[in-house]
Amino acid sequence: GAGVSQSPRYKVAKRGQDVALRCDPISGHVSLFWYQQALGQGPEFLTYFQNEAQLDKSGLPSDRFFAERPEGSVSTLKIQRTQQEDSAVYLCASSLYTGEQYFGPGTRLTVT
Amino acid sequence: QQQVKQSPQSLIVQKGGISIINCAYENTAFDYFPWYQQFPGKGPALLIAIRPDVSEKKEGRFTISFNKSAKQFSLHIMDSQPGDSATYFCAASHLRDSNYQLIWGAGTKLIIKP
Repeated sequence: GAGVSQSPRYKVAKRGQDVALRCDPISGHVSLFWYQQALGQGPEFLTYFQNEAQLDKSGLPSDRFFAERPEGSVSTLKIQRTQQEDSAVYLCASSLYTGEQYFGPGTRLTVT
Repeated sequence: QQQVKQSPQSLIVQKGGISIINCAYENTAFDYFPWYQQFPGKGPALLIAIRPDVSEKKEGRFTISFNKSAKQFSLHIMDSQPGDSATYFCAASHLRDSNYQLIWGAGTKLIIKP
């Protein structure tokens, strides 16, 4: 079946611009996670949804980061007033309760 | 206490050899230990995972060995192939308390030489 998809795959933003990153989880997966991955490092947790409820946003680095999943399926990660330090790969993963997280290909964000 | 320490940082193995990557953890509440494989430009892919009630799990050429008393677990790749060249991450989680967060190791870049 279809895996987790993310769009766009690549995004270049000028410093100060707002960006929106989309995640389509595996159909029926209740849990959805966003991660940030810097070059050469492991993923860092940003936020977690169970259905439409955002149960944990403790990893969001600042109030410029905002995530939503209004209908419990597609999720959007929004970054306002992007800064150079926001440049990274943003990964989305979904899970069916079991703890086995399945990742999308990621969105590479470059802030110039 | 939340850290997962992974070693080595990089590893070069001849084709046909055994690749071994090690991880250690401190939090005894962890009860789920997955390994992920990541190719450049791709997201991590779940490779194999183990719960602490078993000491070993094998799937094809991939084996996880788990030592609960030492708080260590390792990934063994038998008959390593050039297509196995990737970055491997270990992780740990505490599912019993519905703690979904994965705590990740720093990754091991594996190169299999033909």
